Amino acid sequence: RKEVEQDPGPFNVPEGATVAFNCTYSNSASQSFFWYRQDCRKEPKLLMSVYSSGNEDGRFTAQLNRASQYISLLIRDSKLSDSATYLCVVRDGMGGGNKLTFGTGTQLKVEL
Amino acid sequence: DTGVSQNPRHKITKRGQNVTFRCDPISEHNRLYWYRQTLGQGPEFLTYFQNEAQLEKSRLLSDRFSAERPKGSFSTLEIQRTEQGDSAMYLCASTGGTRSSYNEQFFGPGTRLTVL
Repeated sequence: RKEVEQDPGPFNVPEGATVAFNCTYSNSASQSFFWYRQDCRKEPKLLMSVYSSGNEDGRFTAQLNRASQYISLLIRDSKLSDSATYLCVVRDGMGGGNKLTFGTGTQLKVEL
Repeated sequence: DTGVSQNPRHKITKRGQNVTFRCDPISEHNRLYWYRQTLGQGPEFLTYFQNEAQLEKSRLLSDRFSAERPKGSFSTLEIQRTEQGDSAMYLCASTGGTRSSYNEQFFGPGTRLTVL
């Protein structure tokens, strides 16, 4: 079983749609959680951190359920520019000294 | 440009040859990470340095792989006797330091290796 599991997609959605991605992780000792965005043939970039209380950044909302070891990302009012691969990421330990463990990524295609 | 840089951006080599990649992290960052990404997969951790000390190595890092960060600034990743299975994107990331938090790892553009 992979440490971080995601549906690879692709998710093809019309512009303006709301889309949700889910992710599960296996290591209950994981301390920090993130969503990274990766455009085709580019490096991953941090989209947002994920907190137990849930957090929102504009059209993006992230949720964490530690009991279920489940992370989600909701994108509202999808834009063409949101087309990318969204990587669910967990980090063990405190302070960022430890490695990031990535899911396979979920591919999103926003269409006219 | 003050981001993470990597050279070369692309490398094509024949099986059995040695290759070396370089990563220049963001200048004040004291932690540097190497990851490998194959098509359709997320990046996988290879190794990490705090300053010049290599603190963790993945079991993915076979004895053909060696990484160094001799002065705690740039890092090199060498692959000896390359195999076709080494074909991948090699990503470098950095974080940490007195003026930066450790929360975000900043990635370089990667070196794409093709082994023929």
